[in-house]
Amino acid sequence: DAGVIQSPRHEVTEMGQEVTLRCKPISGHDYLFWYRQTMMRGLELLIYFNNNVPIDDSGMPEDRFSAKMPNASFSTLKIQPSEPRDSAVYFCASSYRVETQYFGPGTRLLVL
Amino acid sequence: GENVEQHPSTLSVQEGDSAVIKCTYSDSASNYFPWYKQELGKGPQLIIDIRSNVGEKKDQRIAVTLNKTAKHFSLHITETQPEDSAVYFCAASIFNDMRFGAGTRLTVKP
Repeated sequence: DAGVIQSPRHEVTEMGQEVTLRCKPISGHDYLFWYRQTMMRGLELLIYFNNNVPIDDSGMPEDRFSAKMPNASFSTLKIQPSEPRDSAVYFCASSYRVETQYFGPGTRLLVL
Repeated sequence: GENVEQHPSTLSVQEGDSAVIKCTYSDSASNYFPWYKQELGKGPQLIIDIRSNVGEKKDQRIAVTLNKTAKHFSLHITETQPEDSAVYFCAASIFNDMRFGAGTRLTVKP
């Protein structure tokens, strides 16, 4: 298996622009997670899905962030409008049933 | 909610020496404890995990121990090699609510 795939790997945008991050989980996995990693706050869980349904979005920082999973092989994390404080590395992870999560390579986002 | 503390934040050892990283957790309901290794520019990679009904687990040069009573768990790496240099994260999980430690930057000097 190719593992979790994320795109783009790097994104540079200007404040106020919309940003869309994409994730393809490992085939057969029924859980999908979005994390954000910063030096100040470490790894934070933003939201996770089970069988394409959002289960817990309590980690989503504010209404500017939204996530969708239209099918079992694709998810998006959208930031609109983006702000400089959103600059971070965003990871997608997937798992089969519970517990063991496999991470993608991440998207490094820089908002100017 | 769960709070995971990890120590030390940085660790430097000579090649061939052992390295130990320690974590504590706050929620006694946590039942799954994975360790991840993150190399520069990459995502965290699972290296070993342990569940709450097991006290110790070993995989070649790495081992993890869990003390449920004290609510702490540790990663042990023996015979360290330069390629072990990376940031290591511990985590504690209740179902899918996984909380990570702040990470330990391990440097193995050749």
